[in-house]
Amino acid sequence: AQSVTQLDSHVSVSEGTPVLLRCNYSSSYSPSLFWYVQHPNKGLQLLLKYTSAATLVKGINGFEAEFKKSETSFHLTKPSAHMSDAAEYFCVVSDSPGGSQGNLIFGKGTKLSVKP
Amino acid sequence: GAVVSQHPSRVICKSGTSVKIECRSLDFQATTMFWYRQFPKQSLMLMATSNEGSKATYEQGVEKDKFLINHASLTLSTLTVTSAHPEDSSFYICSARPDNEKLFFGSGTQLSVL
Repeated sequence: AQSVTQLDSHVSVSEGTPVLLRCNYSSSYSPSLFWYVQHPNKGLQLLLKYTSAATLVKGINGFEAEFKKSETSFHLTKPSAHMSDAAEYFCVVSDSPGGSQGNLIFGKGTKLSVKP
Repeated sequence: GAVVSQHPSRVICKSGTSVKIECRSLDFQATTMFWYRQFPKQSLMLMATSNEGSKATYEQGVEKDKFLINHASLTLSTLTVTSAHPEDSSFYICSARPDNEKLFFGSGTQLSVL
C-alpha cells in the first residue's frame, strides 16, 4: 500500500533564507511523486513531479525536489524564500505503476509561513 | 479531524450516460470546494471552484455544460459528467477546507466510460 508523510505541519522561515519541506513515502511500485501548492482561496497548482526520470526535479518558482529511493524521501527545497511563497504545500504519491492514472494519495500538507 | 467524503470511489458507465459524483464535508461547513481531474500520466488539473449558493467558477478550457457542478448546501457539492464519453475517463477528486484551516481531500473517483 502507498502512503505519504509530510513531517512538518507548519514551517516558518525568514524571507531570503532556504526552504525545506519534508516528505517521505512508501510505495510498492516505482512511484510517481508530486508537489502541489495551494495559495489562500485558490486551487492546487503543480510545482513539480517525479516520474522515474532524473532524480533531481526542478519546478516552478525556483523550487526543486530530489527523489531519494534509499531514504524514501522527496523533500522540497528552495534556496531563498519569498513572501509570495507563503502557502500550503502538499506532497502526493500515485498508487499506480508509472503514475498513469488512478488514486492519488495526499500528504496532510505543510503550511509555509515567510517572515519579513 | 476534518473529513471529506467522496462517492463513488469507482464507477463504470456506458457512453452517453451521465454520472454524478458527490463530495461531502462530514464535520465542517465548506462554502468553497474544488474539483480536480487527473489525466493519464499527467498531474491534477483544477476544473472548477464550487461556491455554495452560487454558480461555480470554471477554469479555462473546462466545459461547464459538460461538467455540471452544484453546491446546494454547505456540506455537499456534486459534479455531474453529462453524456459521458470514453475521453472523460479519468480520476476526479474534490477538496474542501474549514475556514482558515488546512485543505482536505476526498478519496477520489475513478471514472471509466465504455
